[in-house]
Amino acid sequence: DAGVIQSPRHEVTEMGQEVTLRCKPISGHNSLFWYRQTMMRGLELLIYFNNNVPIDDSGMPEDRFSAKMPNASFSTLKIQPSEPRDSAVYFCASSPQTGELFFGEGSRLTVL
Amino acid sequence: QKEVEQNSGPLSVPEGAIASLNCTYSDRGSQSFFWYRQYSGKSPELIMFIYSNGDKEDGRFTAQLNKASQYVSLLIRDSQPSDSATYLCAVRSNSGYALNFGKGTSLLVTP
Repeated sequence: DAGVIQSPRHEVTEMGQEVTLRCKPISGHNSLFWYRQTMMRGLELLIYFNNNVPIDDSGMPEDRFSAKMPNASFSTLKIQPSEPRDSAVYFCASSPQTGELFFGEGSRLTVL
Repeated sequence: QKEVEQNSGPLSVPEGAIASLNCTYSDRGSQSFFWYRQYSGKSPELIMFIYSNGDKEDGRFTAQLNKASQYVSLLIRDSQPSDSATYLCAVRSNSGYALNFGKGTSLLVTP
């Protein structure tokens, strides 16, 4: 079975541009998570969905960040406008009922 | 803020030795505890999880949980150079579903 699929793997953009990160969770998993990882702050939870419904978005830094999960097999994380401090690796993870998280390969974002 | 604390390391052990990685957490309501391994430039991968006090063994790995002391550890027996990575401790409280991660301990196994 395929794992969590994220795209793009790398994104370099200029400050002020819109960035959209995409995620396809593992089929049958009912929870999806977006995390951000930096050297300074480690892995931080941004938002998670259960059965496509956002449950906790308290980790979303500010209104520039938004996330959607229109169906069970797709989610997006959008940053508009992007800023240099948004540079990080963004991970999507999905989880079955048993609760373990399975991570995608990550999307490395660089905002110049 | 529910905290998960790990020593950043690096922890250096010789090949064949036992590596001991430690983690403390602040939320007494935490119910589930996970260890992930992350190689440089890669994503975290699950090693094992533990829910009950005591030890849980899986191959060369043993997780130990002491809820009274709010302490979780991971032992790696017969350490190999391929075990060199960052080890992340993650905790789930009974009030949420997401995992709260520590910043990780860097392990270096020297031949």
